[in-house]
Amino acid sequence: GNSVTQMEGPVTLSEEAFLTINCTYTATGYPSLFWYVQYPGEGLQLLLKATKADDKGSNKGFEATYRKETTSFHLEKGSVQVSDSAVYFCALSERLGSARQLTFGSGTQLTVLP
Amino acid sequence: KAGVTQTPRYLIKTRGQQVTLSCSPISGHRSVSWYQQTPGQGLQFLFEYFSETQRNKGNFPGRFSGRQFSNSRSEMNVSTLELGDSALYLCASSLTGQDYEQYFGPGTRLTVT
Repeated sequence: GNSVTQMEGPVTLSEEAFLTINCTYTATGYPSLFWYVQYPGEGLQLLLKATKADDKGSNKGFEATYRKETTSFHLEKGSVQVSDSAVYFCALSERLGSARQLTFGSGTQLTVLP
Repeated sequence: KAGVTQTPRYLIKTRGQQVTLSCSPISGHRSVSWYQQTPGQGLQFLFEYFSETQRNKGNFPGRFSGRQFSNSRSEMNVSTLELGDSALYLCASSLTGQDYEQYFGPGTRLTVT
């Protein structure tokens, strides 16, 4: 079956540091890939997505590139802010019959210190 | 446009009881999915409904069930609660369920004692 593996947390960075959160996946077909973010006490928000190989998703300074050859979708940001502190989830989506189903990684807690 | 709403936000139940959680999707969205989030198992897919029909189901026991109404609102029910059912239950809506983007509600925090 499908699975997503992302780097263990927690990750603690100083403000303006460079961020990388690794994510690799296993899928039987050609999934779409996502990064979701969860702030304390809230549900998940879609951060960015890529629907085919070599696509780059980007939003709010975050980027991730769909690498089929390495089955990876690593999240990067050049300069993190305190407000980026949250839990980040990598996920994949494949069509199952007439619907899509999300499979999530275990999440990475990010804390950014001022 | 209002987001996905879930009620109640917090719930405390005793082992053996049953519970019903509610989810109202974004207006116009016809697909509703439910997920269970726990520290040990992470986010796991429960089931997905579209036009009052369950289309997909995750690997959960029959104690977990759901339904969807004609206005797309959805409920999930857990019977004979166990301690391990303590979790954050998230619902997500999308236009058709085939969309790439799903919009999540804030979740219902269920504690079983």
